[in-house]
Amino acid sequence: ELKVEQNPLFLSMQEGKNYTIYCNYSTTSDRLYWYRQDPGKSLESLFVLLSNGAVKQEGRLMASLDTKARLSTLHITAAVHDLSATYFCAVDFDSNYQLIWGAGTKLIIKP
Amino acid sequence: EPEVTQTPSHQVTQMGQEVILRCVPISNHLYFYWYRQILGQKVEFLVSFYNNEISEKSEIFDDQFSVERPDGSNFTLKIRSTKLEDSAMYFCASSDGSWQGGVHEQYFGPGTRLTVT
Repeated sequence: ELKVEQNPLFLSMQEGKNYTIYCNYSTTSDRLYWYRQDPGKSLESLFVLLSNGAVKQEGRLMASLDTKARLSTLHITAAVHDLSATYFCAVDFDSNYQLIWGAGTKLIIKP
Repeated sequence: EPEVTQTPSHQVTQMGQEVILRCVPISNHLYFYWYRQILGQKVEFLVSFYNNEISEKSEIFDDQFSVERPDGSNFTLKIRSTKLEDSAMYFCASSDGSWQGGVHEQYFGPGTRLTVT
């Protein structure tokens, strides 16, 4: 079964702190996506990770991919309130363009 | 910048009624998708469409659902006889299907919130 699991599902943190969101998936894939969703809004692409060891950074967010462990992480550095959102990872298995999604991590950053 | 658009933004319908959700994908894109997200839950794949036919569909996409590209610009999702559990946000996405730099990226529309009463 194709499964994508995220943890934690909910995270409340203070501004200025660091934290990591984890995304595990069940079967080999070389393509993993991170999306951001604000309440009531659409899905905004953050990162596409294509190969083992891939690391991408944008501002305070950094994503990495370990295909051997079937694990991706989204690391938040010195969080700010504007990063409050729900973050989803999604995996493209078997190149069939069908994205399988994690449950999402709702991130609340308190001033 | 080109974007995927969806109409309506919110649709309220009674159980048993038919609804059609409309999407205009990015103009040079060839692959089209529908996803749904029940409130507070994860995004679920429904169907992908290429070359005027369904490429993949999930278990959710049963006989109540159909998709169509009626002209060169629109991509529609029809639910024949809506049920309460069809209430969700429905996202359309499109892709050009290329693997530029190894990336095959789907671009999402703003969604249609469907409420079945």
